[in-house]
Amino acid sequence: AQSVTQPDIHITVSEGASLELRCNYSYGATPYLFWYVQSPGQGLQLLLKYFSGDTLVQGIKGFEAEFKRSQSSFNLRKPSVHWSDAAEYFCAVGAGSSNTGKLIFGQGTTLQVKP
Amino acid sequence: DGGITQSPKYLFRKEGQNVTLSCEQNLNHDAMYWYRQDPGQGLRLIYYSQIVNDFQKGDIAEGYSVSREKKESFPLTVTSAQKNPTAFYLCASGGGPDRKYGYTFGSGTRLTVV
Repeated sequence: AQSVTQPDIHITVSEGASLELRCNYSYGATPYLFWYVQSPGQGLQLLLKYFSGDTLVQGIKGFEAEFKRSQSSFNLRKPSVHWSDAAEYFCAVGAGSSNTGKLIFGQGTTLQVKP
Repeated sequence: DGGITQSPKYLFRKEGQNVTLSCEQNLNHDAMYWYRQDPGQGLRLIYYSQIVNDFQKGDIAEGYSVSREKKESFPLTVTSAQKNPTAFYLCASGGGPDRKYGYTFGSGTRLTVV
């Protein structure tokens, strides 16, 4: 069965430091992969997505993610974190046959930014 | 601008009451989804619909009901059979055959039992 694992429930980084959020997936075929961000009390906003081509994808707000098939990973990175990046981050994989379209979400990683 | 509108933003339910959460989209998406979010539990799928007049149970459908009479609308009813309804509810659209585009989410409804 398809699954997504975000090993880190909570991460704290200092403002200006680099960030990497981990995501591992289990899926038999070439996956469609997504990262979403959620501010408190809000819906989820799409940061970036991968479905083919270049394995390093750029997203909004200065984020990027790298798809590594050999490691079944799709880690999210940012070179320099800003206080406004504090939020919850969800990794997701497009699962099932082409006519279901469901996304499978990880449990989320909460990012805290220290001044 | 296209998007998804959820209403109300806050909703209070008395014991034994049914309440309905609204979700409307103008993105022309065929598929729509309802998720429940509790602290530390991520997103759990309640119901989804891939086409008008058709919907499927998700992982936690008990105590909930939906309808899909129009492409734009996918209301969720939290019935009195749902024993612990206090949560944040998110509606999304997208996926389907074009699942590579992911979902668009609404801004959520926070339901509280009083």
